Amino acid sequence: EIVMTQSPATLSVSPGERATLSCRASQGVSSNLAWYQQKPGQAPRLLIYGASTRATGIPARFSGSGSGTEFTLTISSLQSEDFAVYYCQQYNNWPPITFGQGTRLEIK
Amino acid sequence: QVQLVQSGAEVKRPGASVKVSCEASGLTFTNDFIHWVRQAPGQGLEWLGVINPFTGSTSFAPRFQGRVTVTRDTSTSTFYLDLRGLRSDDTAVYFCARADISVTAVPDDWGQGTLVTVSP
Repeated sequence: EIVMTQSPATLSVSPGERATLSCRASQGVSSNLAWYQQKPGQAPRLLIYGASTRATGIPARFSGSGSGTEFTLTISSLQSEDFAVYYCQQYNNWPPITFGQGTRLEIK
Repeated sequence: QVQLVQSGAEVKRPGASVKVSCEASGLTFTNDFIHWVRQAPGQGLEWLGVINPFTGSTSFAPRFQGRVTVTRDTSTSTFYLDLRGLRSDDTAVYFCARADISVTAVPDDWGQGTLVTVSP
């Protein structure tokens, strides 16, 4: 099973600033990596798949990069609605699909 | 866009079984896959398994093999997660989610979640 590790656990950023979230895979997953956003009491929302392709309706301020074992989600200019928990997910070698433990993005 | 509506919250005793339903509207049986993902209170996401609605074939995470079944009723576009031998650490919100055939392992439409509480 591929283990996904996200860092940091919590990230404090001011509105309007850039946020950079990291995700590392225990073995290479090529570009088979997705990112989700989850707000309290809600289901996850798909942001990025294929490491860098934005899902339908996702604003351009969200961007993904990386391949192999190291991935990054960047939010270029944080809006109030972006403060949430973010999860990465690998789907290169499944089953099982595996998720990272999440990064909580909070207002500084 | 596919809409997924799940059944209501459940409270079960340890050792019991639970069956969670997920009714899908707008689903394309030949193009979509239905996944099941759970989230324990305050914890991250954990994938349980997937079903191909067209063929009925399933795949599960190894740790749930033998304890979980996923079925479908094609006449009502309803999918069912059956989890047996419940333990306290099965307490979680269970989500169904749809993935398109173009990226079968990446769900992009999610149900509202069903809270399953396992308590003596």
